[in-house]
Amino acid sequence: GAGVSQSPSNKVTEKGKDVELRCDPISGHTALYWYRQSLGQGLEFLIYFQGNSAPDKSGLPSDRFSAERTGGSVSTLTIQRTQQEDSAVYLCASSSDLGAQHFGDGTRLSIL
Amino acid sequence: QKEVEQDPGPLSVPEGAIVSLNCTYSNSAFQYFMWYRQYSRKGPELLMYTYSSGNKEDGRFTAQVDKSSKYISLFIRDSQPSDSATYLCAFSPYSSASKIIFGSGTRLSIRP
Repeated sequence: GAGVSQSPSNKVTEKGKDVELRCDPISGHTALYWYRQSLGQGLEFLIYFQGNSAPDKSGLPSDRFSAERTGGSVSTLTIQRTQQEDSAVYLCASSSDLGAQHFGDGTRLSIL
Repeated sequence: QKEVEQDPGPLSVPEGAIVSLNCTYSNSAFQYFMWYRQYSRKGPELLMYTYSSGNKEDGRFTAQVDKSSKYISLFIRDSQPSDSATYLCAFSPYSSASKIIFGSGTRLSIRP
């Protein structure tokens, strides 16, 4: 497909488990972003990858959160030892160097 | 003071009405001003993007920026039921291809 693809679309897991969320950006886009959207809240910036530069991790809420981007394409957001407050929609976006961000439809994460 | 303030609504108007959505911000470094539309269970999509103060029109949509008052607006003319969605204002100090600060969103419903 031509858009940003995220998987899984829904994830339910028990408190304390680790989860991995995947993002496939639009082909050729150099920048990739992760955001979190809690119920009734706006999007909260988490992390930003631009080409080969060091990622901007300033939005990661704790050291339980990490992300990597392999080969400048696919990205994985990992949450270790999940807590109930981690329940949210996790959105990924990609863009060209100066272009607008295009979003995927998100992964809905529920921590029981 | 929050960096971005946006009335969450919900806002309900009859079809054909003019809709006005607004945000205020406090960060003088913001140079890029955006409006995103988000349908239920979908990712946000970019509607309007402006750099300077003044008005920008695109079809039924007009974006207005007043940097001196730190106030931005989105007007929707001849509103349609298909315009029913959550509208998020968004800001960046650098460009659209960088970390974006989002408002919490206004939920809009257009009554047929």
